[in-house]
Amino acid sequence: GDSVTQMEGPVTLSEEAFLTINCTYTATGYPSLFWYVQYPGEGLQLLLKATKADDKGSNKGFEATYRKETTSFHLEKGSVQVSDSAVYFCALGGTSYGKLTFGQGTILTVHP
Amino acid sequence: GAGVSQSPSNKVTEKGKDVELRCDPISGHTALYWYRQSLGQGLEFLIYFQGNSAPDKSGLPSDRFSAERTGGSVSTLTIQRTQQEDSAVYLCASSFRPDEQYFGPGTRLTVT
Repeated sequence: GDSVTQMEGPVTLSEEAFLTINCTYTATGYPSLFWYVQYPGEGLQLLLKATKADDKGSNKGFEATYRKETTSFHLEKGSVQVSDSAVYFCALGGTSYGKLTFGQGTILTVHP
Repeated sequence: GAGVSQSPSNKVTEKGKDVELRCDPISGHTALYWYRQSLGQGLEFLIYFQGNSAPDKSGLPSDRFSAERTGGSVSTLTIQRTQQEDSAVYLCASSFRPDEQYFGPGTRLTVT
């Protein structure tokens, strides 16, 4: 079945550092890929998505590229802020109706 | 506009009791999903509704779990004879397109 493997962390960075959170997937067919973010005390929010190979999703300075050849969707940001501290989930949408399979989540803490 | 709402936000119940969790989706969203977020299992899919029917119930962990949706809107997740392993945050999401789900704040269930 579908699965998502995500860099577990926790990840601790200083403000303005470069961020990478690795995500790889296993799926049949051509899934859509997502990054969701959960800020402290808040619900899950869609951060970015890509629906086909070589697509790049981007939002709020975060980027991720759908790499079919390496079955990966790594999240990157060039310069993190304290306000980026949150839990980040990589997810795969492997059905036509949007059922999501999530990775385990990565806790990111950014210090001033 | 209003987002997805869930009630109660917190529920503490004794082992063996039944509980009902409610989800009010965004108006006009025909698709509705339930997920569960627990320490041991991460974020996992439970059930998908399209309108009032549930074509995918594959994630419900046992026959103690059931869900319904009425009027193409409100959904109720019922857990009978609760067990301690049912303790988790239950998340509801709705969407008008499969690649863009909006999540509610969740109901934190604690079974004592």
